[in-house]
Amino acid sequence: DAGITQSPRHKVTETGTPVTLRCHQTENHRYMYWYRQDPGHGLRLIHYSYGVKDTDKGEVSDGYSVSRSKTEDFLLTLESATSSQTSVYFCAISTVSGNTIYFGEGSWLTVV
Amino acid sequence: RKEVEQDPGPFNVPEGATVAFNCTYSNSASQSFFWYRQDCRKEPKLLMSVYSSGNEDGRFTAQLNRASQYISLLIRDSKLSDSATYLCVVTHYNQGGKLIFGQGTELSVKP
Repeated sequence: DAGITQSPRHKVTETGTPVTLRCHQTENHRYMYWYRQDPGHGLRLIHYSYGVKDTDKGEVSDGYSVSRSKTEDFLLTLESATSSQTSVYFCAISTVSGNTIYFGEGSWLTVV
Repeated sequence: RKEVEQDPGPFNVPEGATVAFNCTYSNSASQSFFWYRQDCRKEPKLLMSVYSSGNEDGRFTAQLNRASQYISLLIRDSKLSDSATYLCVVTHYNQGGKLIFGQGTELSVKP
């Protein structure tokens, strides 16, 4: 299994509160991604990173920000959580953009 | 129209059956193609890459038709353990190589 750890794995939070999800990898892969998965929509890319401090928006980036200060860590922040951000969040890593990517186990977030 | 489309299923088949999944993609610039498998409440995992010449891995065969922008996955001699959702995935140059996922096709193999 790829060395990817997501934390927290499960979280319940209130509307309007900030939330940060962490993705940690031990593989030294250049590319890191955050996806969300919802019924009827499948996996959708939120943000991705192609190196330390190099990030870009994905398909559904509104309401989310990211940071990558170290190769091994990619943080996803919901500045003010909303109920529409209730979802399963998957972090993923890749050695080469567009090549095989490996996923973390997911973070289940519920915003009430 | 979604960029990658799959029949969501579910496909309910008996053990030992042969089942085929189809996937169409809309962007002719798509460059790489994959099938991922996702078990319930688990992360997606790579099943196989898809090559223009077609490729086989045990009971699984993947085909690509670039002219028709169509990908297929064939599973022979289905096992109970094949029950999962199968995700079609494409990447293309003008999207920075990011992977675009289909919604997935659910397969349920029954005894």
